[in-house]
Amino acid sequence: DADVTQTPRNRITKTGKRIMLECSQTKGHDRMYWYRQDPGLGLRLIYYSFDVKDINKGEISDGYSVSRQAQAKFSLSLESAIPNQTALYFCATSDPNRGLDEAFFGQGTRLTVV
Amino acid sequence: AQSVTQLDSQVPVFEEAPVELRCNYSSSVSVYLFWYVQYPNQGLQLLLKYLSGSTLVKGINGFEAEFNKSQTSFHLRKPSVHISDTAEYFCAVRSRGNTDKLIFGTGTRLQVFP
Repeated sequence: DADVTQTPRNRITKTGKRIMLECSQTKGHDRMYWYRQDPGLGLRLIYYSFDVKDINKGEISDGYSVSRQAQAKFSLSLESAIPNQTALYFCATSDPNRGLDEAFFGQGTRLTVV
Repeated sequence: AQSVTQLDSQVPVFEEAPVELRCNYSSSVSVYLFWYVQYPNQGLQLLLKYLSGSTLVKGINGFEAEFNKSQTSFHLRKPSVHISDTAEYFCAVRSRGNTDKLIFGTGTRLQVFP
Protein backbone atom coordinates (compact mmCIF):
# COMPACT_ATOMS: atom_id res chain seq x y z
CA ASP A 1 0.00 0.00 0.00
CA ALA A 2 1.14 3.54 -0.72
CA ASP A 3 2.33 5.63 2.22
CA VAL A 4 0.47 8.70 0.96
CA THR A 5 -2.90 7.90 -0.60
CA GLN A 6 -5.07 10.31 -2.53
CA THR A 7 -8.70 9.72 -3.43
CA PRO A 8 -10.13 9.95 -5.97
CA ARG A 9 -7.39 9.51 -8.59
CA ASN A 10 -9.51 11.09 -11.30
CA ARG A 11 -12.59 13.25 -11.11
CA ILE A 12 -14.73 15.20 -13.52
CA THR A 13 -17.11 17.72 -12.02
CA LYS A 14 -19.34 20.54 -13.18
CA THR A 15 -18.81 24.23 -12.62
CA GLY A 16 -20.31 25.35 -9.35
CA LYS A 17 -20.20 21.96 -7.66
CA ARG A 18 -18.52 21.36 -4.33
CA ILE A 19 -15.82 18.75 -4.39
CA MET A 20 -13.49 17.27 -1.80
CA LEU A 21 -10.13 15.65 -2.44
CA GLU A 22 -8.85 13.42 0.30
CA CYS A 23 -5.38 12.52 1.44
CA SER A 24 -4.32 10.02 4.06
CA GLN A 25 -0.86 8.95 5.17
CA THR A 26 0.54 6.02 7.09
CA LYS A 27 3.96 7.61 7.64
CA GLY A 28 3.11 9.38 10.89
CA HIS A 29 4.45 12.68 9.57
CA ASP A 30 3.47 15.97 11.16
CA ARG A 31 3.37 18.13 8.07
CA MET A 32 0.99 17.80 5.17
CA TYR A 33 0.67 19.86 2.01
CA TRP A 34 -1.60 20.36 -0.96
CA TYR A 35 -0.11 21.43 -4.29
CA ARG A 36 -1.55 21.88 -7.73
CA GLN A 37 0.42 21.23 -10.88
CA ASP A 38 -0.24 23.05 -14.15
CA PRO A 39 1.82 22.75 -17.34
CA GLY A 40 4.60 25.33 -17.37
CA LEU A 41 3.85 26.49 -13.84
CA GLY A 42 5.29 23.63 -11.85
CA LEU A 43 3.85 22.87 -8.42
CA ARG A 44 2.22 25.67 -6.50
CA LEU A 45 1.39 25.42 -2.82
CA ILE A 46 -2.29 25.75 -1.93
CA TYR A 47 -2.34 25.02 1.81
CA TYR A 48 -0.07 23.40 4.33
CA SER A 49 -0.46 22.11 7.86
CA PHE A 50 2.29 21.68 10.44
CA ASP A 51 -0.01 19.79 12.79
CA VAL A 52 -3.71 19.29 13.43
CA LYS A 53 -4.15 22.76 14.92
CA ASP A 54 -1.85 24.63 12.55
CA ILE A 55 -3.11 25.32 9.03
CA ASN A 56 -1.59 27.91 6.72
CA LYS A 57 -2.38 29.41 3.35
CA GLY A 58 0.04 28.86 0.52
CA GLU A 59 0.60 30.83 -2.68
CA ILE A 60 -2.79 30.17 -4.26
CA SER A 61 -5.37 29.47 -1.55
CA ASP A 62 -8.25 31.48 -3.03
CA GLY A 63 -11.16 29.22 -3.95
CA TYR A 64 -9.90 26.38 -1.77
CA SER A 65 -10.30 25.30 1.84
CA VAL A 66 -8.76 22.49 3.85
CA SER A 67 -9.44 20.37 6.89
CA ARG A 68 -6.89 18.46 8.96
CA GLN A 69 -9.20 15.90 10.53
CA ALA A 70 -6.37 13.97 12.17
CA GLN A 71 -2.62 13.74 11.91
CA ALA A 72 -3.08 11.25 9.11
CA LYS A 73 -5.79 13.02 7.10
CA PHE A 74 -5.77 16.29 5.18
CA SER A 75 -8.65 17.14 2.85
CA LEU A 76 -8.85 19.81 0.18
CA SER A 77 -12.22 21.28 -0.78
CA LEU A 78 -13.33 23.35 -3.72
CA GLU A 79 -16.48 25.06 -2.49
CA SER A 80 -17.67 26.06 -5.97
CA ALA A 81 -15.49 24.57 -8.67
CA ILE A 82 -14.54 26.63 -11.72
CA PRO A 83 -12.84 25.52 -14.95
CA ASN A 84 -9.48 27.13 -14.15
CA GLN A 85 -9.23 24.80 -11.18
CA THR A 86 -8.73 21.98 -13.66
CA ALA A 87 -5.31 20.63 -12.71
CA LEU A 88 -3.34 17.77 -11.21
CA TYR A 89 -3.44 17.95 -7.41
CA PHE A 90 -0.81 16.45 -5.15
CA CYS A 91 -0.78 15.80 -1.44
CA ALA A 92 2.56 15.52 0.32
CA THR A 93 3.97 14.93 3.79
CA SER A 94 7.21 15.70 5.59
CA ASP A 95 8.60 15.59 9.10
CA PRO A 96 11.64 17.84 9.62
CA ASN A 97 11.60 17.11 13.34
CA ARG A 98 12.65 13.58 12.43
CA GLY A 99 15.18 14.76 9.90
CA LEU A 100 12.82 14.17 6.99
CA ASP A 101 13.12 17.50 5.24
CA GLU A 102 12.04 16.23 1.85
CA ALA A 103 8.40 15.82 0.89
CA PHE A 104 6.79 12.46 0.16
CA PHE A 105 4.10 12.65 -2.49
CA GLY A 106 0.90 10.85 -3.27
CA GLN A 107 0.11 9.71 -6.80
CA GLY A 108 -2.02 12.73 -7.57
CA THR A 109 -5.65 13.49 -8.33
CA ARG A 110 -6.51 14.66 -11.82
CA LEU A 111 -9.45 17.05 -11.54
CA THR A 112 -11.38 18.33 -14.53
CA VAL A 113 -14.00 21.03 -14.10
CA VAL A 114 -16.38 21.35 -17.05
CA ALA B 1 10.60 34.35 1.37
CA GLN B 2 12.40 31.99 -0.94
CA SER B 3 11.98 31.31 -4.65
CA VAL B 4 13.31 28.89 -7.24
CA THR B 5 14.09 29.50 -10.90
CA GLN B 6 14.52 26.79 -13.48
CA LEU B 7 15.56 28.67 -16.58
CA ASP B 8 15.14 25.82 -19.06
CA SER B 9 11.60 24.63 -19.60
CA GLN B 10 12.76 21.91 -22.00
CA VAL B 11 16.10 20.21 -22.57
CA PRO B 12 16.42 17.89 -25.56
CA VAL B 13 19.45 15.60 -25.59
CA PHE B 14 20.63 12.47 -27.36
CA GLU B 15 21.08 9.22 -25.52
CA GLU B 16 24.51 8.76 -23.84
CA ALA B 17 25.19 12.52 -23.94
CA PRO B 18 25.81 14.48 -20.73
CA VAL B 19 23.12 16.79 -19.40
CA GLU B 20 22.85 19.66 -16.95
CA LEU B 21 19.55 21.01 -15.66
CA ARG B 22 19.90 24.42 -14.09
CA CYS B 23 18.38 25.63 -10.84
CA ASN B 24 18.89 28.94 -9.07
CA TYR B 25 17.30 29.96 -5.82
CA SER B 26 16.90 33.04 -3.70
CA SER B 27 16.53 33.14 0.05
CA SER B 28 17.51 35.45 2.86
CA VAL B 29 18.46 32.51 5.06
CA SER B 30 20.23 29.19 4.63
CA VAL B 31 18.31 26.60 2.68
CA TYR B 32 17.80 22.94 2.04
CA LEU B 33 17.69 22.01 -1.66
CA PHE B 34 16.04 19.14 -3.50
CA TRP B 35 15.62 17.67 -6.95
CA TYR B 36 12.54 15.62 -7.77
CA VAL B 37 11.69 13.62 -10.88
CA GLN B 38 8.23 13.01 -12.31
CA TYR B 39 7.86 10.24 -14.87
CA PRO B 40 4.84 10.38 -17.18
CA ASN B 41 1.55 9.86 -15.34
CA GLN B 42 3.26 9.41 -12.00
CA GLY B 43 3.83 11.33 -8.79
CA LEU B 44 7.07 12.99 -7.73
CA GLN B 45 10.05 10.99 -6.56
CA LEU B 46 13.06 12.39 -4.71
CA LEU B 47 16.27 12.26 -6.75
CA LEU B 48 18.63 13.85 -4.26
CA LYS B 49 18.87 16.47 -1.54
CA TYR B 50 21.38 18.87 -0.04
CA LEU B 51 21.05 19.53 3.68
CA SER B 52 24.62 20.28 4.76
CA GLY B 53 28.18 19.04 4.38
CA SER B 54 29.70 18.18 1.02
CA THR B 55 28.44 20.45 -1.72
CA LEU B 56 28.45 17.60 -4.25
CA VAL B 57 25.44 15.40 -3.71
CA LYS B 58 24.87 12.06 -5.40
CA GLY B 59 21.40 10.74 -5.99
CA ILE B 60 19.58 7.86 -7.59
CA ASN B 61 19.87 6.80 -11.23
CA GLY B 62 23.36 8.27 -11.63
CA PHE B 63 22.36 11.88 -11.07
CA GLU B 64 24.35 14.33 -9.00
CA ALA B 65 24.03 18.00 -8.09
CA GLU B 66 26.39 20.63 -6.77
CA PHE B 67 25.41 23.29 -4.27
CA ASN B 68 27.09 26.62 -5.02
CA LYS B 69 26.33 29.13 -2.31
CA SER B 70 28.03 32.10 -3.97
CA GLN B 71 26.04 31.60 -7.17
CA THR B 72 22.91 30.43 -5.33
CA SER B 73 22.69 27.46 -7.66
CA PHE B 74 21.98 23.76 -7.41
CA HIS B 75 22.41 22.36 -10.91
CA LEU B 76 21.61 18.74 -11.67
CA ARG B 77 23.97 16.70 -13.85
CA LYS B 78 24.28 13.27 -15.37
CA PRO B 79 27.33 12.25 -17.45
CA SER B 80 25.40 9.91 -19.76
CA VAL B 81 21.63 9.88 -20.09
CA HIS B 82 19.33 7.04 -21.07
CA ILE B 83 16.00 7.02 -22.85
CA SER B 84 14.43 6.12 -19.49
CA ASP B 85 15.56 9.45 -18.03
CA THR B 86 12.91 11.21 -20.11
CA ALA B 87 10.79 12.94 -17.46
CA GLU B 88 10.07 16.27 -15.82
CA TYR B 89 12.54 17.44 -13.20
CA PHE B 90 11.72 19.86 -10.40
CA CYS B 91 14.08 21.79 -8.17
CA ALA B 92 12.76 22.74 -4.73
CA VAL B 93 13.95 24.79 -1.75
CA ARG B 94 13.06 25.01 1.90
CA SER B 95 14.53 27.51 4.29
CA ARG B 96 16.22 26.27 7.44
CA GLY B 97 14.69 26.84 10.84
CA ASN B 98 11.71 24.50 10.69
CA THR B 99 9.37 27.35 9.94
CA ASP B 100 8.92 27.32 6.21
CA LYS B 101 7.36 25.33 3.43
CA LEU B 102 8.75 23.59 0.36
CA ILE B 103 8.71 25.77 -2.76
CA PHE B 104 9.12 24.31 -6.25
CA GLY B 105 10.46 25.62 -9.52
CA THR B 106 8.43 25.46 -12.71
CA GLY B 107 10.12 22.28 -13.90
CA THR B 108 12.39 21.21 -16.76
CA ARG B 109 11.27 18.61 -19.22
CA LEU B 110 14.18 16.37 -20.21
CA GLN B 111 13.61 14.63 -23.52
CA VAL B 112 16.17 11.97 -24.42
CA PHE B 113 16.31 10.93 -28.07
CA PRO B 114 17.83 7.71 -29.45
